[in-house]
Amino acid sequence: AQTVTQSQPEMSVQEAETVTLSCTYDTSENNYYLFWYKQPPSRQMILVIRQEAYKQQNATENRFSVNFQKAAKSFSLKISDSQLGDTAMYFCAFMKEAQGAQKLVFGQGTRLTINP
Amino acid sequence: GAVVSQHPSWVICKSGTSVKIECRSLDFQATTMFWYRQFPKQSLMLMATSNEGSKATYEQGVEKDKFLINHASLTLSTLTVTSAHPEDSSFYICSARGARARDPYYEQYFGPGTRLTVT
Repeated sequence: AQTVTQSQPEMSVQEAETVTLSCTYDTSENNYYLFWYKQPPSRQMILVIRQEAYKQQNATENRFSVNFQKAAKSFSLKISDSQLGDTAMYFCAFMKEAQGAQKLVFGQGTRLTINP
Repeated sequence: GAVVSQHPSWVICKSGTSVKIECRSLDFQATTMFWYRQFPKQSLMLMATSNEGSKATYEQGVEKDKFLINHASLTLSTLTVTSAHPEDSSFYICSARGARARDPYYEQYFGPGTRLTVT
C-alpha cells in the first residue's frame, strides 16, 4: 500500500521568507500523481500544486514550486515570499489509479504559521 | 468552475439518531464522489468511493451498514450516519471528480466539509 510521510508536524516562518515543506512517499507504481493541498482555518481543501510522475520538470504555480525527486520518492513544496494568508495545514497527497477510481492518500500534514 | 457544496455545514444530533449529509457538484457532472473523515488535527482518511448508479466501495475498517452512501445522480451523493454515537463525531468531507475524458488532471474538487457532533 502507498504511504505518504510528512516529517514536519509544525513550521513557523516570518512573512516574506521562503519555507520548504517535506514529503516522502512509498510506492511501487511508476505512473502516479502527487499533490499539495492547503487547508486553512475554514477547513476548505484547496489544491496548491500538482505533479505528474512521468514529467521530469518540477511544477510551479506562482510563489509555489515543488522539488520532485522520483528516485528518492521525495516531493517537497517551496513557498517563496510567504504571506500571512499562507498560514494553514498543508497536506501532501499521492494518487494512482485504483479499480477505476483515483484514491488520494494523504500525509499527516504540516501546520505552517506565517508570522508578521 | 468545479464547485462542490455540502449540506449541512454543521449538525448536532442525539445519540441513536441518523443524520444525512449531502454533497453536490454544482457546475459539473461528478461520476465519482469520495467521502473522507477528518479528526481534529489529523489528516483526511478515505471512507468510501462511490460511482454514480453503483454501490459504494468502502475502505477497510469502515462499517458500510453504519455509513450509508448513495450516489443516485451525477450531481448528488449522500452520506447517512445511522444510529450515530459520540465517537462518530467528526468532520466529514466529500470530493468529486468528473468523467475521465473531461478531467485530464484527475483532480478531485473538495466540498467545504460538515461538522457532525453527536451528543
